Amino acid sequence: EVQLVESGGGVVQPGGSLRLSCEASGFTFSSYSMNWVRQAPGKGLECLSFISSSSTSIHYADSVEGRFTISRDNAKNSVYLQMNSLRADDTAVYYCARGSGGGDWLIDYWGQGTLVIVSS
Amino acid sequence: EIVLTQSPGTLSLSPGERATLSCRASQSVGRNFLAWYQQKPGQAPRLLISGASRRATAIPVRFSGGGSGTDFTLTISRLEPEDFAVYYCQQYAESPRTFGQGTKVEIK
Repeated sequence: EVQLVESGGGVVQPGGSLRLSCEASGFTFSSYSMNWVRQAPGKGLECLSFISSSSTSIHYADSVEGRFTISRDNAKNSVYLQMNSLRADDTAVYYCARGSGGGDWLIDYWGQGTLVIVSS
Repeated sequence: EIVLTQSPGTLSLSPGERATLSCRASQSVGRNFLAWYQQKPGQAPRLLISGASRRATAIPVRFSGGGSGTDFTLTISRLEPEDFAVYYCQQYAESPRTFGQGTKVEIK
């Protein structure tokens, strides 16, 4: 069974930093691309970042480019999101999500999410 | 960027009824790389349909997807109590991948 478990969310002041982690199990992690997607309270979904299986390809949404950094450690079956210069509009549930492995950018499994609140 | 517009915003139906949800793209979605997700309150999204019409693993046959180019639909043939949720379409043909704003299917 595919499982994705996020951690690291919490309350942070504007301008602060936070590092999210996602630990994967139930599949060969090193063979799949990974993503971070967020959902602001009561709002829709926004793809933030993508990292290929070997970290050779990385993409960011314009809204987080230059502030957020995605990385992964295949030996630890984990993907990370380093978030700097946080703003109030970064408040959201952050989901770790697996790429389908089909050579496209489809997301097939999601974690349960971790809540980030940016507030003074 | 491809903008996806879902309609209606809310669909009020009774169990057993048919639900038809629409997703319209601002430009053609390459290779019909259009997915549908279901999200229940407090839960993560679940993949229902990929490639516009291919059901994901373990998704019941009452869910079907159709369409191509710029116009896509998700049909739930007979609503079960567990189907009342928010549904999102997403294009994964090009970056940035974008979602529609969602259609809420609620109990009438």
